[in-house]
Amino acid sequence: SQKIEQNSEALNIQEGKTATLTCNYTNYSPAYLQWYRQDPGRGPVFLLLIRENEKEKRKERLKVTFDTTLKQSLFHITASQPADSATYLCALVKYSSASKIIFGSGTRLSIRP
Amino acid sequence: DAGVIQSPRHEVTEMGQEVTLRCKPISGHNSLFWYRQTMMRGLELLIYFNNNVPIDDSGMPEDRFSAKMPNASFSTLKIQPSEPRDSAVYFCASSSRGTNTGELFFGEGSRLTVL
Repeated sequence: SQKIEQNSEALNIQEGKTATLTCNYTNYSPAYLQWYRQDPGRGPVFLLLIRENEKEKRKERLKVTFDTTLKQSLFHITASQPADSATYLCALVKYSSASKIIFGSGTRLSIRP
Repeated sequence: DAGVIQSPRHEVTEMGQEVTLRCKPISGHNSLFWYRQTMMRGLELLIYFNNNVPIDDSGMPEDRFSAKMPNASFSTLKIQPSEPRDSAVYFCASSSRGTNTGELFFGEGSRLTVL
């Protein structure tokens, strides 16, 4: 069956360091992968998308990589700040105009000052 | 635009009662998704619609759950009868398939507690 795993339930790092979150998947061939941020009591908010033919995508302090051979995406936040503390979710989308979007369980990131 | 609007934000009910959750997607979006989020299972896709038509309801837990989208601006998720294990946050999200990113826009969720 299809499975999406995010590396750890929680990640705690020092402000200013780079946070790296992992998303692994099995039995799935996504066309693209999305990353979302979710704050407590709120709905997820879209951050970035990377397509299967793209190796890397950047947006400000965020960087996402996508390795379809390893079936893995890495999500980096450089120069992390306490305001980056949230839960981060990866989501996979099949190549279809009417395709479902399925989510990993999320990684709770805490940035300590 | 006000974004995706869900109601009620909180619902507390007793086992066996009928629960109806409502969603108004962003105007112009042609896809609508219902998700359920719990600590144990994360964010699970229940059902999604394209152009008001249900495309995949394989995530609906059982016959007690039903969803409708009578028009492009309204959808309901109904649980009848409700059970304590249905307690969760239910999210509605909409998307425009015409965009490059296919990003989902989520509502703030409906927190359901079944006693």
